[in-house]
Order: sequence, then structure tokens, then C-alpha cells
Amino acid sequence: DTGVSQDPRHKITKRGQNVTFRCDPISEHNRLYWYRQTLGQGPEFLTYFQNEAQLEKSRLLSDRFSAERPKGSFSTLEIQRTEQGDSAMYLCASSLALAGGPWDQYFGPGTRLLVL
Amino acid sequence: AQKITQTQPGMFVQEKEAVTLDCTYDTSDQSYGLFWYKQPSSGEMIFLIYQGSYDEQNATEGRYSLNFQKARKSANLVISASQLGDSAMYFCAMRDFSTGGENKLTFGTGTQLKVEL
Repeated sequence: DTGVSQDPRHKITKRGQNVTFRCDPISEHNRLYWYRQTLGQGPEFLTYFQNEAQLEKSRLLSDRFSAERPKGSFSTLEIQRTEQGDSAMYLCASSLALAGGPWDQYFGPGTRLLVL
Repeated sequence: AQKITQTQPGMFVQEKEAVTLDCTYDTSDQSYGLFWYKQPSSGEMIFLIYQGSYDEQNATEGRYSLNFQKARKSANLVISASQLGDSAMYFCAMRDFSTGGENKLTFGTGTQLKVEL
């Protein structure tokens, strides 16, 4: 399977704990995105990387959130001191940025986080 | 700021019939792209179709076509010959290509489609 993969698929944690999610993009893709999707809503952009550089962060990404892509391949998203409002699906997507396209982002299966 | 509006929270269609899912958008940019994604209950977002703002022809991909009306700022998805496997949540999304805005998708709230026998 050469698609985007995410691990874990599900995570249940207690309020105040730290959690870390991993995303492995499609191997030749140079861009990697993180989105958050709450129940009944569309995904909302959190942050994006071009290779190893984090180039844009949403205001949704509070100080408790940190994302890395150390070697320009896989990425991790860490949430510190989780709150119940962090409960959501966290989606990772990747794309190949070329002049003129293609522009489509390919999404992983997501990590469902439940904070108790 | 960009905005995507999907006014149909839920839609029903008979198997083998065609269905149109509505999407309107708001942007002040001249260069942008419109996407449709399918999200089954398992959660993954599946890319369906893309339309660029300067594309003169409406995009088509198999049973999916995008009815792009630029002046009305609408980008409706048409699914022909619906199948039971089409039952899912469908999201319209936009990406602008202006400096600083080309790196993220803005999604609507989605339409839940149910295909019936």
C-alpha cells in the first residue's frame, strides 16, 4: 500500500496527558498537511510542511500543539496537556507540489482522538 | 477570507439515478481550485474531482462531473448512476493560489448522501 498512513488509528487518553500521532506520506510527495475534523464539520487546516520546513500554521494550533517533519519524510503531531476539546479526528494529507499542478491532496485514514 | 457553503446536510437518491450535491464558494481571488472529496464512515477522505478557476471545460472523472458556474460561484458535484457504495459524506473544498494562501484547503460542512434500493 503506497497511500498515506497514520498511526495510531484510535487513541483514548485522559485529560492532561500528552499524545503523539504519526503520519507517513506518499513517498515522493514533498508537502504534508495536518487537519482536524470535529463531529459534523469539515476538516480544518492546522499546519503544513514543505519538505522539512513548517511553512504555515493556523491560529487553531495553540501552544500545546507541535508538529515536526525532521527529515522531510514522516511527520509527528504532539498535543501536550490534552483537553476534552481536543477530541477530534486528526487527518494527514500529502501532495506533490509542481508548477502547474497536480493540486490534489491525498489523505490518510486519520487518527480519532478521544480525551476523557 | 474564503468560504465554502454546502446547504444540503443530507440527500437521498435511488440506486442508478443521478444526484447533484450543491456547493457555493466565496473568494476574492481570481486563481483558485475547487475539489470534491468523499468520506465513508471509515473516515478516510477520498479525492474525487478537481476544477481550476481558469479551466474552460467542466471536470469529469468517470461517474463524477463538476458543474462549474463561475459567475454564480457554484461548483456542484453530479454523480451519475448512483451505487450503494456511493453512500458517504461528501465535502466541497477550495484552495486559492494567491501568495500565502496556496497551501491549505478550506472545506464546507459536507452533505451526507444515502443511496437507496
